[in-house]
Amino acid sequence: NAGVTQTPKFQVLKTGQSMTLQCAQDMNHEYMSWYRQDPGMGLRLIHYSVGAGITDQGEVPNGYNVSRSTTEDFPLRLLSAAPSQTSVYFCASGTAGYEQYFGPGTRLTVT
Amino acid sequence: GESVGLHLPTLSVQEGDNSIINCAYSNSASDYFIWYKQESGKGPQFIIDIRSNMDKRQGQRVTVLLNKTVKHLSLQIAATQPGDSAVYFCAVKGYSGGGADGLTFGKGTHLIIQP
Repeated sequence: NAGVTQTPKFQVLKTGQSMTLQCAQDMNHEYMSWYRQDPGMGLRLIHYSVGAGITDQGEVPNGYNVSRSTTEDFPLRLLSAAPSQTSVYFCASGTAGYEQYFGPGTRLTVT
Repeated sequence: GESVGLHLPTLSVQEGDNSIINCAYSNSASDYFIWYKQESGKGPQFIIDIRSNMDKRQGQRVTVLLNKTVKHLSLQIAATQPGDSAVYFCAVKGYSGGGADGLTFGKGTHLIIQP
């Protein structure tokens, strides 16, 4: 099993550009989520999904969109990148409310 | 909502000593707690978890203690090794904006191992 995979590993965007961060898991987990990690802030939940076709907002959803068309994939879209979105982004999957398995992360810089 | 507090942002210990990392939470109804280890440039990795019907749980060289009376959680690492150097996060199942099943994370403790 590959577990949770994320692409790209690194990305640099200019302010106003859009992009999609990809996330896939092969563990057949219904629950998937996106976190951002900033220095000294821990991990903060952006969006989550409890199954295909169902998504909801987390703690810091502004500026991000998600969709869940399959169990395996949970892409995160930045609509119009801003410097405040410079962060490391982690996708996770697992059983809702219990252990979550994290991907290796995407390091995003917005200039 | 749930909040998870940090006691120490950095903890420095001698190799071979025991390490204790602490965490506090706010919601007395929380029923699941988890510790993650994050090495530089990697995603968080599961270490150990505990449910609220337990006070203590042991793994390989790690022990998690839960004190529900004072809403306090700790991670003990025995005979600390250089490979234990990482940032350690506690997380609590609670209403973090992720619904009842979302995990709320503390800010992390950076464990530094002195030779």
